[in-house]
Amino acid sequence: SQKIEQNSEALNIQEGKTATLTCNYTNYSPAYLQWYRQDPGRGPVFLLLIRENEKEKRKERLKVTFDTTLKQSLFHITASQPADSATYLCALDDTGGFKTIFGAGTRLFVKA
Amino acid sequence: SAVISQKPSRDICQRGTSLTIQCQVDSQVTMMFWYRQQPGQSLTLIATANQGSEATYESGFVIDKFPISRPNLTFSTLTVSNMSPEDSSIYLCSVESGRDHTDTQYFGPGTRLTVL
Repeated sequence: SQKIEQNSEALNIQEGKTATLTCNYTNYSPAYLQWYRQDPGRGPVFLLLIRENEKEKRKERLKVTFDTTLKQSLFHITASQPADSATYLCALDDTGGFKTIFGAGTRLFVKA
Repeated sequence: SAVISQKPSRDICQRGTSLTIQCQVDSQVTMMFWYRQQPGQSLTLIATANQGSEATYESGFVIDKFPISRPNLTFSTLTVSNMSPEDSSIYLCSVESGRDHTDTQYFGPGTRLTVL
């Protein structure tokens, strides 16, 4: 069956450290993968998109990798800050269904 | 970027009643999407709404339960009909950004629905 899996357990890290979140998928062949941030009581906000032919993408303190062999994307936040505390969702395109499939998200807590 | 507003932001409803959620976008868009997000769960697509045609529903969602209107290119409504406690969820509308021929989306703030 098709699945997108993100760590259901919250990730707690200290301010200044690098946070690494994982997204694994099964039985999909996405052309690209996206990461969104969701704060409590708000809709998701797009952060980064990485295509299948890209190994790595960066935007300020954010870095995303995409390994189509492992069927995995890693999302890194360097020099993390308490303001980075949120839920981070990965999403991929279901080319067979022409729609976006979201993971359940990983909650990140950054302690000062 | 698109700015999306939703009304109401939250509501508490009685079993058996219906609630209509409104979604307004500040620019004209072809497709609007309605999602449901239950606590701790991923976003689940309910339907895609195109202006001038019937909405396309995903497996497990039917028009009688979730009727959708799309009267113009900036507005859509989703009605949750004959509600039960299982319908308690956050309902989100979204539009595609049109960025780089991908389906990157802008989301509204969501409507938190509680059914008693």
